[in-house]
Amino acid sequence: DAGITQSPRHKVTETGTPVTLRCHQTENHRYMYWYRQDPGHGLRLIHYSYGVKDTDKGEVSDGYSVSRSKTEDFLLTLESATSSQTSVYFCAISEGVPPSYEQYFGPGTRLTVT
Amino acid sequence: RKEVEQDPGPFNVPEGATVAFNCTYSNSASQSFFWYRQDCRKEPKLLMSVYSSGNEDGRFTAQLNRASQYISLLIRDSKLSDSATYLCVVNLLYNFNKFYFGSGTKLNVKP
Repeated sequence: DAGITQSPRHKVTETGTPVTLRCHQTENHRYMYWYRQDPGHGLRLIHYSYGVKDTDKGEVSDGYSVSRSKTEDFLLTLESATSSQTSVYFCAISEGVPPSYEQYFGPGTRLTVT
Repeated sequence: RKEVEQDPGPFNVPEGATVAFNCTYSNSASQSFFWYRQDCRKEPKLLMSVYSSGNEDGRFTAQLNRASQYISLLIRDSKLSDSATYLCVVNLLYNFNKFYFGSGTKLNVKP
């Protein structure tokens, strides 16, 4: 158990509203990630963080922003939600030393934008 | 071209059968390889890392073929509880913070 929680676990929101998803970890991991998972696409990286206030974009970052003000929390914000952002969002941490670098996932947040 | 490609399946096999999945990757700089298992509506969970020499964990065997750029997962004596989607994941030598996921192969083990 990598000690990762996500909140909320489910959310329904309307198009145009801002939404923030939270990822919390208890084991002081440096690297944290946000992915989305959609049928036929697998997991796609949105943003990742390599330390407090240090973040970088992934392959599908448009429409999303992130913040990490504490080691344990990584927030994902949809500034103005769209229906195309309906998805399952997973937070992850990585641990180990390259090349034995493994990822562990939180339980996911199911977001529906109507 | 996708970084990682998998046959989506589904693979429908009877209990006790042996089943194998392959996964191909496009970047020769890939250095770390993993198989994850994902149950319906759950998070992916690490099944095993794949080492150059191949590795075995109980009924599961993973192999790496760098020359042909694929990894494989063999499941022997399939159980009903093995029914899940299996994700292939690779990580690059020069960017170990980015993991590339296949879309997954679905396995259904039938009684």
